[in-house]
Amino acid sequence: RKEVEQDPGPFNVPEGATVAFNCTYSNSASQSFFWYRQDCRKEPKLLMSVYSSGNEDGRFTAQLNRASQYISLLIRDSKLSDSATYLCVVTSDSNYQLIWGAGTKLIIKP
Amino acid sequence: EPEVTQTPSHQVTQMGQEVILRCVPISNHLYFYWYRQILGQKVEFLVSFYNNEISEKSEIFDDQFSVERPDGSNFTLKIRSTKLEDSAMYFCASSETRAGYGYTFGSGTRLTVV
Repeated sequence: RKEVEQDPGPFNVPEGATVAFNCTYSNSASQSFFWYRQDCRKEPKLLMSVYSSGNEDGRFTAQLNRASQYISLLIRDSKLSDSATYLCVVTSDSNYQLIWGAGTKLIIKP
Repeated sequence: EPEVTQTPSHQVTQMGQEVILRCVPISNHLYFYWYRQILGQKVEFLVSFYNNEISEKSEIFDDQFSVERPDGSNFTLKIRSTKLEDSAMYFCASSETRAGYGYTFGSGTRLTVV
């Protein structure tokens, strides 16, 4: 079983639409959770941390369900600049390493 | 905003040669990491380094790999005898704490082994 699993994508979405990403993780001992975005051939950049209470940053909302080991990201009013690969990331038992999903590619079309 | 600097941005090397990838982490960060990403695949953890020693390493980080913090600023990854399958993007990162928060990644070194 993959440690962090994401929708394979790509998602082709019209500008202005709402798009949702889902992620499941296998290690119940993971303590920290994140969404990163990665542009083609660039380094990953932190989009937001994810907390059990849920958190929102502008058009982006992240949710964590520890019981189901499920993480989600919602992007509202999508922009062309949101086109990227979205990576679901969790920490290992030791907290020394980040464990990455394979990512979901998002393409926003005008 | 403080940055993690990696050099070179691209390195081409012949199979069997040694390469050293260099990183300058953010100055007040205490934890240092190397990750790699083979083209089209997911990011993979290689090694973490804290208090001048390796704190954790993955199965990928075998005897061909080593890390060093030779002075107060640089953090290097050495691959002793490169293989074709070592071709990947190598990202250095640093953080103030564990638990994944406050990571800053460098822009990466693209290593091509021919």
